[in-house]
Amino acid sequence: GAGVSQSPSNKVTEKGKDVELRCDPISGHTALYWYRQSLGQGLEFLIYFQGNSAPDKSGLPSDRFSAERTGGSVSTLTIQRTQQEDSAVYLCASSLDRVLNEQFFGPGTRLTVL
Amino acid sequence: AQSVTQLDSQVPVFEEAPVELRCNYSSSVSVYLFWYVQYPNQGLQLLLKYLSGSTLVKGINGFEAEFNKSQTSFHLRKPSVHISDTAEYFCAVSGGRGSYIPTFGRGTSLIVHP
Repeated sequence: GAGVSQSPSNKVTEKGKDVELRCDPISGHTALYWYRQSLGQGLEFLIYFQGNSAPDKSGLPSDRFSAERTGGSVSTLTIQRTQQEDSAVYLCASSLDRVLNEQFFGPGTRLTVL
Repeated sequence: AQSVTQLDSQVPVFEEAPVELRCNYSSSVSVYLFWYVQYPNQGLQLLLKYLSGSTLVKGINGFEAEFNKSQTSFHLRKPSVHISDTAEYFCAVSGGRGSYIPTFGRGTSLIVHP
């Protein structure tokens, strides 16, 4: 079956603009995660969705970042008023079982803020 | 709280030589441990995982890892590497009691020279 997909694969934007990044998880996976990966850094957790429960937003770096997940499937990460430090690769992952947490990752969206 | 330390940011090795990538974790509860590989411009892919049972875990591409509870380690090994193993390797830990969000190490860049 299809894996996790993300769009766009690359996004170049100007400082101050808003951007939306999309993630399509694997069908049937109830858990969905967003991470940020900066050059030379590990994965920085941003937000976690589990089924219809309220998301865990504890990793969002500022109130310019928000995410939603519609119908327990597709998720959109929105960054408002982008800053140059937001430039990074944004990775989405989904998993079937939140306890075992074997994650399946998408290819990522490379965001460049000029 | 849980944390992961990958002691080496970069490991250069010649083709057909053995390699060990080190990972140490800290957690106050029982853990699940994972190694992921990230090839250039791709998302992360699961190499292997330890959930319970045998402490020696075998994964894809000839990799294996050993869970050592007393040393809180989960080192990744391969007896003979190939050029194609050149990639970034991430160790991750997750656990029960609400720790549904995996914690990732900062990654180790394995560079295989001909």
